[in-house]
Amino acid sequence: QVQLQESGPGLVKPSESLSLICTVSGGSMSSHYWSWIRQAPGKGLEWIGYFYHSGNTNYNPSLKSRVTLSADTSKNQFFLKMHYMTAADTAVYYCARGWFGELDSWGQGTLVTVSS
Amino acid sequence: QSGLTQPRSVSGSPGQSVTISCTGTSNNVGAYSYVSWYQQYPGKAPKLMIYDVSKRPSGVPDRFSGSKSGNRASLTISGLQAEDEADYYCCSYAGSYTWVFGGGTKLSVL
Repeated sequence: QVQLQESGPGLVKPSESLSLICTVSGGSMSSHYWSWIRQAPGKGLEWIGYFYHSGNTNYNPSLKSRVTLSADTSKNQFFLKMHYMTAADTAVYYCARGWFGELDSWGQGTLVTVSS
Repeated sequence: QSGLTQPRSVSGSPGQSVTISCTGTSNNVGAYSYVSWYQQYPGKAPKLMIYDVSKRPSGVPDRFSGSKSGNRASLTISGLQAEDEADYYCCSYAGSYTWVFGGGTKLSVL
């Protein structure tokens, strides 16, 4: 049973960058798409982007200019970097494993607050 | 990339059936058989309930079913139970390796 765990800073200052790590255990990253999703307080889910082990990535068009996804598959970790953070980026950030029609395993989520 | 449209809330009594709709466009829901549904309790991560429009992962009760017609997908929960009270989100593949979620529906079991 694959498990995912997000880690990173809980607080980021406005205009600074966010770096999050998702650590995968119980499975390999050599298959499936590995995604980041976020949820602002009291709001719905928003797909941020995905990473594939071949190195392919793609992003939500609304976030594309500020987001970079990457991975170290030898460590079973994938990464989110988001630049120019604002209060509107305050959210719980989830990593998840999936394919075209599903996101079948999720991390527990990590709350990121953007505040000075 | 616009989100999928879901009703903000639905409700039903124990034992009844409820259906949650998810309306997209011919570029997402209407174009692909890649619609999924997630159940989320407050403070918890979403859980996959339906994938590929109508398939149920192991362990999900058969009270949960999914379907699609045109640009609209639906999640039906039959034999409502108190534990079904949660938020439900639909998600669709939108082409070019992008995905889009619905705004979420709060299900109340009266």
